Amino acid sequence: GENVEQHPSTLSVQEGDSAVIKCTYSDSASNYFPWYKQELGKGPQLIIDIRSNVGEKKDQRIAVTLNKTAKHFSLHITETQPEDSAVYFCAAQSGGYQKVTFGTGTKLQVIP
Amino acid sequence: NAGVTQTPKFQVLKTGQSMTLQCAQDMNHNSMYWYRQDPGMGLRLIYYSASEGTTDKGEVPNGYNVSRLNKREFSLRLESAAPSQTSVYFCASPQQGATEAFFGQGTRLTVV
Repeated sequence: GENVEQHPSTLSVQEGDSAVIKCTYSDSASNYFPWYKQELGKGPQLIIDIRSNVGEKKDQRIAVTLNKTAKHFSLHITETQPEDSAVYFCAAQSGGYQKVTFGTGTKLQVIP
Repeated sequence: NAGVTQTPKFQVLKTGQSMTLQCAQDMNHNSMYWYRQDPGMGLRLIYYSASEGTTDKGEVPNGYNVSRLNKREFSLRLESAAPSQTSVYFCASPQQGATEAFFGQGTRLTVV
Protein backbone atom coordinates (compact mmCIF):
# COMPACT_ATOMS: atom_id res chain seq x y z
CA GLY A 1 0.00 0.00 0.00
CA GLU A 2 0.84 3.67 -0.04
CA ASN A 3 3.42 5.06 2.39
CA VAL A 4 3.63 8.80 3.03
CA GLU A 5 6.57 10.25 4.94
CA GLN A 6 6.48 13.80 6.25
CA HIS A 7 9.32 16.00 7.54
CA PRO A 8 10.05 17.72 9.80
CA SER A 9 7.89 16.62 12.71
CA THR A 10 8.30 20.03 14.37
CA LEU A 11 9.22 23.38 12.92
CA SER A 12 9.75 26.75 14.61
CA VAL A 13 10.07 29.94 12.59
CA GLN A 14 10.10 33.63 13.34
CA GLU A 15 7.06 35.62 12.30
CA GLY A 16 7.54 36.83 8.75
CA ASP A 17 9.88 34.00 7.75
CA SER A 18 8.96 31.19 5.38
CA ALA A 19 8.15 27.61 6.36
CA VAL A 20 8.55 24.51 4.20
CA ILE A 21 7.14 21.06 4.94
CA LYS A 22 8.10 18.11 2.75
CA CYS A 23 6.38 14.81 2.00
CA THR A 24 7.29 11.78 -0.06
CA TYR A 25 4.98 9.04 -1.29
CA SER A 26 5.55 5.56 -2.63
CA ASP A 27 2.59 4.68 -4.86
CA SER A 28 2.96 6.02 -8.39
CA ALA A 29 -0.84 5.64 -8.80
CA SER A 30 -1.46 8.46 -6.32
CA ASN A 31 -2.89 11.41 -8.18
CA TYR A 32 -4.30 13.81 -5.59
CA PHE A 33 -2.35 15.46 -2.79
CA PRO A 34 -4.23 17.52 -0.20
CA TRP A 35 -2.80 19.44 2.72
CA TYR A 36 -4.74 19.82 5.97
CA LYS A 37 -4.27 22.26 8.84
CA GLN A 38 -5.31 21.19 12.33
CA GLU A 39 -5.63 23.88 14.98
CA LEU A 40 -5.58 22.94 18.63
CA GLY A 41 -8.75 21.14 19.69
CA LYS A 42 -10.20 21.09 16.19
CA GLY A 43 -10.46 18.68 13.29
CA PRO A 44 -8.23 18.93 10.21
CA GLN A 45 -9.28 21.42 7.56
CA LEU A 46 -8.22 21.39 3.92
CA ILE A 47 -6.04 24.40 3.05
CA ILE A 48 -4.71 23.55 -0.41
CA ASP A 49 -4.48 20.60 -2.75
CA ILE A 50 -2.79 19.64 -6.00
CA ARG A 51 -3.45 17.06 -8.67
CA SER A 52 -0.80 15.03 -10.41
CA ASN A 53 -1.17 16.88 -13.73
CA VAL A 54 -0.06 20.15 -12.08
CA GLY A 55 3.41 21.04 -10.83
CA GLU A 56 2.61 23.98 -8.59
CA LYS A 57 -0.39 25.73 -7.09
CA LYS A 58 -0.60 28.96 -5.10
CA ASP A 59 -3.21 30.49 -2.87
CA GLN A 60 -2.11 33.79 -1.34
CA ARG A 61 0.70 32.97 1.12
CA ILE A 62 0.44 29.21 0.63
CA ALA A 63 1.87 27.19 -2.23
CA VAL A 64 2.30 23.51 -2.96
CA THR A 65 4.76 21.93 -5.38
CA LEU A 66 4.73 18.41 -6.77
CA ASN A 67 7.54 16.40 -8.34
CA LYS A 68 5.97 13.25 -9.74
CA THR A 69 9.25 11.79 -10.91
CA ALA A 70 10.80 11.99 -7.46
CA LYS A 71 7.46 11.30 -5.75
CA HIS A 72 7.64 14.22 -3.41
CA PHE A 73 5.53 17.29 -2.71
CA SER A 74 5.99 20.27 -0.45
CA LEU A 75 3.98 22.96 1.32
CA HIS A 76 5.41 26.47 1.37
CA ILE A 77 4.07 29.18 3.66
CA THR A 78 5.49 32.67 3.15
CA GLU A 79 5.33 35.67 5.52
CA THR A 80 4.28 33.42 8.40
CA GLN A 81 1.93 34.78 11.04
CA PRO A 82 1.16 33.53 14.58
CA GLU A 83 -2.21 32.22 13.35
CA ASP A 84 -0.32 29.83 11.06
CA SER A 85 0.75 27.91 14.18
CA ALA A 86 -0.90 24.48 13.90
CA VAL A 87 -0.27 20.88 12.91
CA TYR A 88 -0.10 20.34 9.15
CA PHE A 89 -0.78 16.99 7.46
CA CYS A 90 0.02 16.00 3.93
CA ALA A 91 -1.84 13.17 2.23
CA ALA A 92 -1.72 11.14 -0.96
CA GLN A 93 -4.76 9.63 -2.63
CA SER A 94 -5.24 7.14 -5.42
CA GLY A 95 -8.80 6.30 -6.43
CA GLY A 96 -11.62 6.74 -3.92
CA TYR A 97 -11.30 8.61 -0.63
CA GLN A 98 -10.77 5.33 1.27
CA LYS A 99 -7.41 5.27 -0.46
CA VAL A 100 -6.14 8.42 1.23
CA THR A 101 -2.94 7.95 3.22
CA PHE A 102 -1.93 10.70 5.64
CA GLY A 103 1.53 11.78 6.68
CA THR A 104 2.46 11.85 10.36
CA GLY A 105 2.07 15.62 10.73
CA THR A 106 4.27 18.68 11.28
CA LYS A 107 3.76 20.92 14.27
CA LEU A 108 4.51 24.47 13.11
CA GLN A 109 5.18 27.15 15.68
CA VAL A 110 5.43 30.77 14.53
CA ILE A 111 7.22 32.88 17.11
CA PRO A 112 6.02 36.51 17.29
CA ASN B 1 -24.85 24.69 8.68
CA ALA B 2 -22.84 22.70 11.24
CA GLY B 3 -20.99 20.39 8.81
CA VAL B 4 -19.84 17.35 10.80
CA THR B 5 -20.82 17.06 14.47
CA GLN B 6 -19.31 14.53 16.87
CA THR B 7 -20.39 13.63 20.39
CA PRO B 8 -19.06 13.40 23.00
CA LYS B 9 -15.97 15.64 22.90
CA PHE B 10 -14.27 13.89 25.81
CA GLN B 11 -14.74 10.49 27.44
CA VAL B 12 -12.94 8.40 30.02
CA LEU B 13 -13.67 4.68 30.09
CA LYS B 14 -12.52 1.82 32.24
CA THR B 15 -11.03 -1.21 30.54
CA GLY B 16 -13.82 -3.51 29.39
CA GLN B 17 -16.53 -0.86 29.26
CA SER B 18 -18.40 -0.15 26.05
CA MET B 19 -19.41 3.08 24.41
CA THR B 20 -20.65 4.54 21.13
CA LEU B 21 -19.24 7.61 19.44
CA GLN B 22 -21.80 9.51 17.43
CA CYS B 23 -21.28 11.41 14.19
CA ALA B 24 -23.77 13.36 12.10
CA GLN B 25 -23.33 15.39 8.90
CA ASP B 26 -25.74 17.86 7.38
CA MET B 27 -24.07 18.22 3.97
CA ASN B 28 -26.05 15.44 2.26
CA HIS B 29 -22.83 13.56 1.49
CA ASN B 30 -22.97 9.88 0.68
CA SER B 31 -19.78 8.76 2.41
CA MET B 32 -18.60 8.98 6.01
CA TYR B 33 -15.37 7.87 7.66
CA TRP B 34 -13.96 7.18 11.11
CA TYR B 35 -10.27 7.84 11.86
CA ARG B 36 -8.12 7.58 14.92
CA GLN B 37 -5.24 9.98 15.52
CA ASP B 38 -2.27 8.96 17.62
CA PRO B 39 0.93 10.92 18.28
CA GLY B 40 3.49 10.42 15.52
CA MET B 41 1.13 8.26 13.46
CA GLY B 42 -1.09 10.67 11.59
CA LEU B 43 -4.68 9.69 10.83
CA ARG B 44 -5.53 6.03 10.36
CA LEU B 45 -8.78 4.84 8.84
CA ILE B 46 -10.87 2.58 11.09
CA TYR B 47 -14.07 2.07 9.06
CA TYR B 48 -15.89 3.88 6.33
CA SER B 49 -19.30 3.93 4.72
CA ALA B 50 -19.40 4.75 1.03
CA SER B 51 -23.17 5.08 1.04
CA GLU B 52 -26.18 4.50 3.26
CA GLY B 53 -26.44 0.80 4.03
CA THR B 54 -22.79 -0.08 3.37
CA THR B 55 -19.76 -0.22 5.64
CA ASP B 56 -16.19 -1.40 5.03
CA LYS B 57 -13.07 -1.96 7.07
CA GLY B 58 -10.17 0.42 6.90
CA GLU B 59 -6.59 0.04 8.08
CA VAL B 60 -7.23 -0.55 11.81
CA PRO B 61 -10.74 -2.03 12.33
CA ASN B 62 -10.02 -4.52 15.13
CA GLY B 63 -11.93 -3.81 18.34
CA TYR B 64 -14.49 -1.54 16.64
CA ASN B 65 -17.90 -1.83 15.03
CA VAL B 66 -19.85 0.74 13.04
CA SER B 67 -23.42 1.46 12.08
CA ARG B 68 -24.62 3.69 9.26
CA LEU B 69 -27.95 4.56 10.82
CA ASN B 70 -29.13 6.72 7.91
CA LYS B 71 -27.55 9.11 5.41
CA ARG B 72 -26.74 11.63 8.14
CA GLU B 73 -25.44 9.44 10.95
CA PHE B 74 -22.49 7.07 11.30
CA SER B 75 -21.62 5.68 14.74
CA LEU B 76 -18.50 3.93 16.04
CA ARG B 77 -18.83 1.39 18.85
CA LEU B 78 -16.19 0.04 21.20
CA GLU B 79 -17.63 -3.17 22.66
CA SER B 80 -14.89 -3.79 25.24
CA ALA B 81 -12.53 -0.84 25.52
CA ALA B 82 -8.79 -1.44 25.89
CA PRO B 83 -6.02 1.02 26.85
CA SER B 84 -4.67 0.68 23.29
CA GLN B 85 -7.83 2.41 22.10
CA THR B 86 -6.89 5.61 23.91
CA SER B 87 -6.81 8.09 21.05
CA VAL B 88 -8.51 11.04 19.42
CA TYR B 89 -11.27 9.91 17.06
CA PHE B 90 -12.38 11.91 14.06
CA CYS B 91 -15.39 11.49 11.86
CA ALA B 92 -15.07 12.84 8.31
CA SER B 93 -17.31 13.21 5.31
CA PRO B 94 -15.74 13.73 1.87
CA GLN B 95 -17.32 15.80 -0.84
CA GLN B 96 -18.95 14.03 -3.76
CA GLY B 97 -16.17 13.18 -6.17
CA ALA B 98 -13.88 12.30 -3.24
CA THR B 99 -11.76 15.41 -2.90
CA GLU B 100 -12.08 17.64 0.15
CA ALA B 101 -13.12 15.94 3.37
CA PHE B 102 -14.86 17.78 6.19
CA PHE B 103 -13.87 16.68 9.68
CA GLY B 104 -15.65 16.84 12.99
CA GLN B 105 -13.99 18.37 16.04
CA GLY B 106 -12.94 15.02 17.41
CA THR B 107 -13.58 12.86 20.48
CA ARG B 108 -10.70 12.49 22.93
CA LEU B 109 -11.07 9.03 24.48
CA THR B 110 -9.01 7.76 27.39
CA VAL B 111 -9.23 4.13 28.49
CA VAL B 112 -7.80 3.43 31.94
